Amino acid sequence: AQSVSQHNHHVILSEAASLELGCNYSYGGTVNLFWYVQYPGQHLQLLLKYFSGDPLVKGIKGFEAEFIKSKFSFNLRKPSVQWSDTAEYFCAVNAGYGGATNKLIFGTGTLLAVQP
Amino acid sequence: EAQVTQNPRYLITVTGKKLTVTCSQNMNHEYMSWYRQDPGLGLRQIYYSMNVEVTDKGDVPEGYKVSRKEKRNFPLILESPSPNQTSLYFCASSLLGSHEQYFGPGTRLTVT
Repeated sequence: AQSVSQHNHHVILSEAASLELGCNYSYGGTVNLFWYVQYPGQHLQLLLKYFSGDPLVKGIKGFEAEFIKSKFSFNLRKPSVQWSDTAEYFCAVNAGYGGATNKLIFGTGTLLAVQP
Repeated sequence: EAQVTQNPRYLITVTGKKLTVTCSQNMNHEYMSWYRQDPGLGLRQIYYSMNVEVTDKGDVPEGYKVSRKEKRNFPLILESPSPNQTSLYFCASSLLGSHEQYFGPGTRLTVT
């Protein structure tokens, strides 16, 4: 069965620090990968996605992620975080069975707190 | 505005009292899904629907029912809620095959 691991459960950073959140998945075939963000009290919003092509994808608000197939990883990065980036971040994977299913498997989430 | 709406946003109820959480989307999406979010467990899929009258179980379907009589609506039904169903519930929708899902604002349910 597919699974997604996020190893950092709680991260605390100061403003302007660099961020990298780890995400590993278990599935040997073609995957579609996502990072969602949930700001306090709000619903999930898509940060970025990878379907194919350039393994370095850029999303909203200065976030980017790199797909490394050999490591089954899709880590999220931001060079300089802001207080407003305080949120919970979820990595998700879809095995992409030719579009027959849209099911997303989510990681357990990483809670990021950015201190001013 | 394209959106997924859920009602109610907050609900406190007692064990055994049937309840329904509504979900509606205005994007003509075929695929709709319900998730529950619990601390340390992330989001887990409860049920999903690939089109009208087509529904199937997700990973944690026990204690829940759904229906899809219209394309835009996908209500979640708890026939006899129990305290272990206290959670934050999200509805999501997408075009079939799109994989990018749009989430509703969430419903925080407490069962005492």
